[in-house]
Amino acid sequence: AQKVTQAQTEISVVEKEDVTLDCVYETRDTTYYLFWYKQPPSGELVFLIRRNSFDEQNEISGRYSWNFQKSTSSFNFTITASQVVDSAVYFCALSPLLSNDYKLSFGAGTTVTVRA
Amino acid sequence: DGGITQSPKYLFRKEGQNVTLSCEQNLNHDAMYWYRQDPGQGLRLIYYSQIVNDFQKGDIAEGYSVSREKKESFPLTVTSAQKNPTAFYLCASSIEPRGTEAFFGQGTRLTVV
Repeated sequence: AQKVTQAQTEISVVEKEDVTLDCVYETRDTTYYLFWYKQPPSGELVFLIRRNSFDEQNEISGRYSWNFQKSTSSFNFTITASQVVDSAVYFCALSPLLSNDYKLSFGAGTTVTVRA
Repeated sequence: DGGITQSPKYLFRKEGQNVTLSCEQNLNHDAMYWYRQDPGQGLRLIYYSQIVNDFQKGDIAEGYSVSREKKESFPLTVTSAQKNPTAFYLCASSIEPRGTEAFFGQGTRLTVV
């Protein structure tokens, strides 16, 4: 079985501040994928990134960056210079690749509010 | 445009009635999923399907049923046995069931009165 924990329930920042979202996971599988999704007020989840367990390089995409540390089972997400449009609920998710229990499991989500 | 269509967006039903939520995808994806979202609890998996005519229970399948008779369709029925059906329901699909990103529909908000 796997578990994804997002300890931060809500984060509120002022525009242009950086915000880091924490994600800690548990899995018995040695091979797995990690994901981040964004859920704006409209409700539809938007895929942001997928990372496999063998690739520990950090990734940057525009104002978004991700820090994957296998040693601490964490996959944190940073929004640099936040904007009001970044206000959303962000979910971290895990999918084992080899296990029979391969379903995509989500954390509880972190609500980010960016104030102008 | 390829994507996932859920209908209706809002649904109201009386307690004790069964209700079916529609989910259609034209992405030619093999895998499809139903999630339930409640405030503060993230997404919980109800059912998932790897391929046509096959589906498995997720973490909270009690009180729900599904079918997968066509690749593009994965309807979810919320039965009267579901004790607390009021929630936001999200359908998703992925190319393969393992390790690929899931694409989501816009969701159906079900309210049982």
